[in-house]
Amino acid sequence: GAVVSQHPSRVICKSGTSVKIECRSLDFQATTMFWYRQFPKKSLMLMATSNEGSKATYEQGVEKDKFLINHASLTLSTLTVTSAHPEDSSFYICSAREFGGPTNTEAFFGQGTRLTVV
Amino acid sequence: AQSVTQLGSHVSVSEGALVLLRCNYSSSVPPYLFWYVQYPNQGLQLLLKYTSAATLVKGINGFEAEFKKSETSFHLTKPSAHMSDAAEYFCAVSQSGAGSYQLTFGKGTKLSVIP
Repeated sequence: GAVVSQHPSRVICKSGTSVKIECRSLDFQATTMFWYRQFPKKSLMLMATSNEGSKATYEQGVEKDKFLINHASLTLSTLTVTSAHPEDSSFYICSAREFGGPTNTEAFFGQGTRLTVV
Repeated sequence: AQSVTQLGSHVSVSEGALVLLRCNYSSSVPPYLFWYVQYPNQGLQLLLKYTSAATLVKGINGFEAEFKKSETSFHLTKPSAHMSDAAEYFCAVSQSGAGSYQLTFGKGTKLSVIP
C-alpha cells in the first residue's frame, strides 16, 4: 500500500517555542491531507484539511493562528504548532488520500508525532 | 452528516476466543466503512474496508466485517484471537460521492487478549 511518512516521531520542546511536523506521501500524490489530534484514550479529532496550493480548512474550535498548516506540494504538508504550551502536548497524526483516486480508497496514515511541551 | 458509534471502549478476550468489536454508523448517503488498528504510539493501519461491493469483507490478519444496512452496523470479527491482536481499533465512515474524502472516526475500542 501507499506510504505516508511523518517526521519527527517524537519531539520535546520548551513552552513558547514553535514546532514543525512534516507529513510526506512517499509513493503517491496527495492533493488532500488531513491533520488529526489524538488525546490519551480518545479518538482522533480532525483538526484541519490541507489542500495543495490553497488554504487549509480548519474544524470548528481549532485555532488557525496556533496550528499553521502549509501544503506546498502534492507530497508534503506541514503542521506548525506556534508558541506551544503544555496543553498542546498530544499525539498528532496526518493522513492522505491519493490524488485522482476514487473516494472509496482508504486514507493512509503517518506514524504520528508525540509532542511534549515542557 | 455522518457519525460512528463503537460499543465498548474496552473488550477483553482470551487467546483463541472469538473477537467481536461493534460498530454502528449513521450516514445520510450510502457510506464507505473502514476498520483501522492502532498500536501504541503509532499511526493507523487499515484492516479492511466496505465500498458497496460484497457485504462480507475480509481483511488482513484474519479479520472480517459484515455490512448490514438494516442494522446500520459494521461489526469486526476474528474467529480466534492472538496476543498480537491487542491494540486499539477504530471504525470510520466516509460518504460516497465525489470529493468526500473526510473520515469520521468512532471513539475506539481497546482490545486486550488474555493468555
